[in-house]
Amino acid sequence: AQRVTQPEKLLSVFKGAPVELKCNYSYSGSPELFWYVQYSRQRLQLLLRHISRESIKGFTADLNKGETSFHLKKPFAQEEDSAMYYCALSGRGSGAGSYQLTFGKGTKLSVIP
Amino acid sequence: NAGVTQTPKFQVLKTGQSMTLQCAQDMNHNSMYWYRQDPGMGLRLIYYSASEGTTDKGEVPNGYNVSRLNKREFSLRLESAAPSQTSVYFCASSEPVEGEKLFFGSGTQLSVL
Repeated sequence: AQRVTQPEKLLSVFKGAPVELKCNYSYSGSPELFWYVQYSRQRLQLLLRHISRESIKGFTADLNKGETSFHLKKPFAQEEDSAMYYCALSGRGSGAGSYQLTFGKGTKLSVIP
Repeated sequence: NAGVTQTPKFQVLKTGQSMTLQCAQDMNHNSMYWYRQDPGMGLRLIYYSASEGTTDKGEVPNGYNVSRLNKREFSLRLESAAPSQTSVYFCASSEPVEGEKLFFGSGTQLSVL
């Protein structure tokens, strides 16, 4: 079974401070991990995925297989970063040729001006 | 380019009433998904369809049925609504490729009184 854990429901930081949103996973295979973001009144959208090794809006995330973690980081938080962040893991579903995305419970990031 | 379109955006039901949530995507994706989003619970998969003609249960399928009408459309039906089904429902689509990102609809806010 695959599981994603985000230990913090709410994270408040001051503008300009570093941000780290924690994510740990449990999966028997080789994981494909994502961060999705939901800004106020907007639909969920992909922020970044580990296979791309990209930096989006200043955010990065490194897959640490030893610690089974995929923490999201940004060196200097901005007010527009305030949003709900979900860590997600892609794994095989029960149906043939299917993949499921399992989400963590989410962390609400609040950046204080 | 509309992406994933859900209707309705808001709905209020009385306990025991039935309704169908509609979802359509114009990206020619094979896989489609229904999630529910509850505070503190994150997103939980209700049902998914890996390809046209197939559907599979997700994490929380009880009380729901789905129909993959064609490649574009994937509907979610509540036969006898219960207050526990008060939630925000999201439809999503993707290609059934490991590591592929999901595209989400804007959500349906459902209240069951």
